[in-house]
Order: sequence, then C-alpha cells, then structure tokens
Amino acid sequence: EDQVTQSPEALRLQEGESSSLNCSYTVSGLRGLFWYRQDPGKGPEFLFTLYSAGEEKEKERLKATLTKKESFLHITAPKPEDSATYLCAVHRGTDKLIFGTGTRLQVFP
Amino acid sequence: DARVTQTPRDKVTEMGQEVTMRCQPILGHNTVFWYRQTMMQGLELLAYFRNRAPLDDSGMPKDRFSAEMPDATLATLKIQPSEPRDSAVYFCASADGGFYNEQFFGPGTRLTVL
Repeated sequence: EDQVTQSPEALRLQEGESSSLNCSYTVSGLRGLFWYRQDPGKGPEFLFTLYSAGEEKEKERLKATLTKKESFLHITAPKPEDSATYLCAVHRGTDKLIFGTGTRLQVFP
Repeated sequence: DARVTQTPRDKVTEMGQEVTMRCQPILGHNTVFWYRQTMMQGLELLAYFRNRAPLDDSGMPKDRFSAEMPDATLATLKIQPSEPRDSAVYFCASADGGFYNEQFFGPGTRLTVL
C-alpha cells in the first residue's frame, strides 16, 4: 500500500539550531516529491519539487534532498518565522498525489 | 498580486443541505485542484482539472460530491446532501501546467456540517 510518513510529528528548535525533517515513502512509480509549508489558517505554500534520487534544491535556509526511500528537509540556522507545518507529498503513477501528515515546527527566539 | 480566491471562507450548514464552494484560479493557470484537509486524514486530493476538463476525481465520494469548471475563471465543488463527516477545510489550488509545476493554494473554505 502506498504510504507517506513524516517524522517527527512536532519539532521545537531554538533559533539558530539546525535540524532535519524526514519524509519516507513507499509508493510505486514515483514521479516526483513535493515539499510545502503551511501556516495556521492558510493554504499550503509550495517550496520544492524533487524528481530523482540524488537531487537537491535550496531556498534560503531550506535544503531538500531525495533518496530512493526518503526525502529530508534541512533547516539551517532557523528563525522564528520558519515556524510552520511542513508537508511532503508524493506524486506516483496514474496521477495520484499522497500527502504526509506533516511536521509542526516551532522555532523559539 | 495574483492569487487564488475562494468563497465562502466559512460555511456552517445542517446535515442534508446542499453546499457549493467556489474558486477563482489565477488568471492564465490551466490546472485546478480541489483538496480537503482534516485533522485525522490530513490533506487529500479530491479532483483536478486541466483546461477545464476533469482528469481525475477518484479521491471524491461520487455519490454526493461533484466538481465542475463552468469556465476558465470559476471552479465549483458541490456537496449534496452534506453530512457531518464532510466537515473540513476545502482548498482550491491552481497551476500553470500539471502536477510538476508550482501549485498556488487559496485560503480555503472551512465547512462545518451540523
């Protein structure tokens, strides 16, 4: 059965304390993996798309990487404004999009 | 500042009533998605359209849900009859192209069915 699992469910960091969020998946025919950020009461905001193992993408303090079984979202020297829920989603064959349940990140000053 | 708009933002209704949610995608975007988000299930893709044609609605309960795009500037999601288990936040998103292109999400419609 196709599955997308994110860990940890919640993460509390001190400002400047770097860490990583994990998205592991078991799907057939992976066509792409997406990372989104969602603030409370708002719709998700697109961050990255990764297509193949070994691919990396960066945006400000965020860096996303992809292997054959998982993706990591690395946050370097986070700031309080990075606090949000981070969602990953896997696009598999026949146009199915499966979301993980997210990691709630809180960054304290 | 182009953005996806959704109406209404909040809707409270009684079980059995019809609910219609509307979405205006970003002008020029040819792909429109409908999602549902709950605490228990997270974010689920219900349906999506490309160039106004429905490509996949397998995520949607067929007996009560219907999605349409009467024109390029309007997408609708209808529930008839509504049930308490339909209570969720419904998001619309649009993209210039398909899944691989950046999706822009609207602010959502919070639906409560009593």
